[in-house]
Amino acid sequence: GQQVMQIPQYQHVQEGEDFTTYCNSSTTLSNIQWYKQRPGGHPVFLIQLVKSGEVKKQKRLTFQFGEAKKNSSLHITATQTTDVGTYFCAGPGITGGGNKLTFGTGTQLKVEL
Amino acid sequence: DTAVSQTPKYLVTQMGNDKSIKCEQNLGHDTMYWYKQDSKKFLKIMFSYNNKELIINETVPNRFSPKSPDKAHLNLHINSLELGDSAVYFCASSRTSGGLETQYFGPGTRLLVL
Repeated sequence: GQQVMQIPQYQHVQEGEDFTTYCNSSTTLSNIQWYKQRPGGHPVFLIQLVKSGEVKKQKRLTFQFGEAKKNSSLHITATQTTDVGTYFCAGPGITGGGNKLTFGTGTQLKVEL
Repeated sequence: DTAVSQTPKYLVTQMGNDKSIKCEQNLGHDTMYWYKQDSKKFLKIMFSYNNKELIINETVPNRFSPKSPDKAHLNLHINSLELGDSAVYFCASSRTSGGLETQYFGPGTRLLVL
């Protein structure tokens, strides 16, 4: 079945440092979504990328969808303590499972002062 | 005015018991889901209903039985609870069942089986 892996699994940074999480799918994705889950909270939708090579920005967050539509990345510039949480990518497959999202393994980010 | 709500938020119970978790969404969405999140934060889909019809049934023990009385509600009943069932269970909904749809999650039910 489809697998979506994220690296790293955990990341500790000092406030102000940059952070990147990488998402890799075993199958081609029609789109990729990113979610953020704060500690003790629930996943909240951040953004969706659809086009090959697409780049989208939300303030300090930059999202990228790979040319082959099998990988994606989320980069945070100058992290803040409010960025703490687990970041998930999620995507359906093109060839099947189109009615469900497969969530990535997640990257847990901790930001220290 | 919570979009997706779940009850209870916390559930502590003994092994072998039967328990239910309820979920309601007021977004007018057609599709609802149950996810299980383990201690490592892995988020796995269990079931999905579209307009009260079961459309996704992942490899889940048949001790877990979902029920959707209408498209705004999706409940999860668990029989003979086991230690390994301890996890956070999230309900979610989306406008339709398509793969492009954003999912809206409930606050989660933290289940601890002793």
